[in-house]
Amino acid sequence: SQTIHQWPATLVQPVGSPLSLECTVEGTSNPNLYWYRQAAGRGLQLLFYSVGIGQISSEVPQNLSASRPQDRQFILSSKKLLLSDSGFYLCAWSVPVGLGYTFGSGTRLTVV
Amino acid sequence: GQQLNQSPQSMFIQEGEDVSMNCTSSSIFNTWLWYKQEPGEGPVLLIALYKAGELTSNGRLTAQFGITRKDSFLNISASIPSDVGIYFCAGRLTGGGNKLTFGTGTQLKVEL
Repeated sequence: SQTIHQWPATLVQPVGSPLSLECTVEGTSNPNLYWYRQAAGRGLQLLFYSVGIGQISSEVPQNLSASRPQDRQFILSSKKLLLSDSGFYLCAWSVPVGLGYTFGSGTRLTVV
Repeated sequence: GQQLNQSPQSMFIQEGEDVSMNCTSSSIFNTWLWYKQEPGEGPVLLIALYKAGELTSNGRLTAQFGITRKDSFLNISASIPSDVGIYFCAGRLTGGGNKLTFGTGTQLKVEL
């Protein structure tokens, strides 16, 4: 069966420090991968999505970047965190055409 | 990016009551999905709808794909305390590939 792993679960980082959040999917090939941010426990904002290795689409201009070095690995990064980067970050995967997304358990990022 | 209008924004109901929430858009969707998110977790898919007029149940949950294809409804019958969480609708636009557009969420709180 397919599983999605996201880590770390919580992270407290100082302003100006770098960020790397990792997401991996098991049990499937060539998934579509997504990074979402959720502020204050409400709406889901799509940050990046990827349909294949090295293929990244950015939905909003921001202080973050994403990379997909392997088929089932999706990384969210920042060179210098801002206070406004705090939030709940969710990774998700889907088959290229089909059902809905399956979400990871999320990373709670607090920038201090 | 486009968001779906979801209402109500929050609900505070008594245990045993029925709950209704809806999602509307100015665009036509070919798929509607309903997710539930519990605190500190990623959203989990509850129900998926693929045809206009379709009515689908999952236990005490029933969802409908609106005839106009621009809306969807979720009903929860005889609510229980574990129904608390944030409910999100999501839709897939015709010609939008596998990208989902998410609603703004309905926060449900159940009073014993």
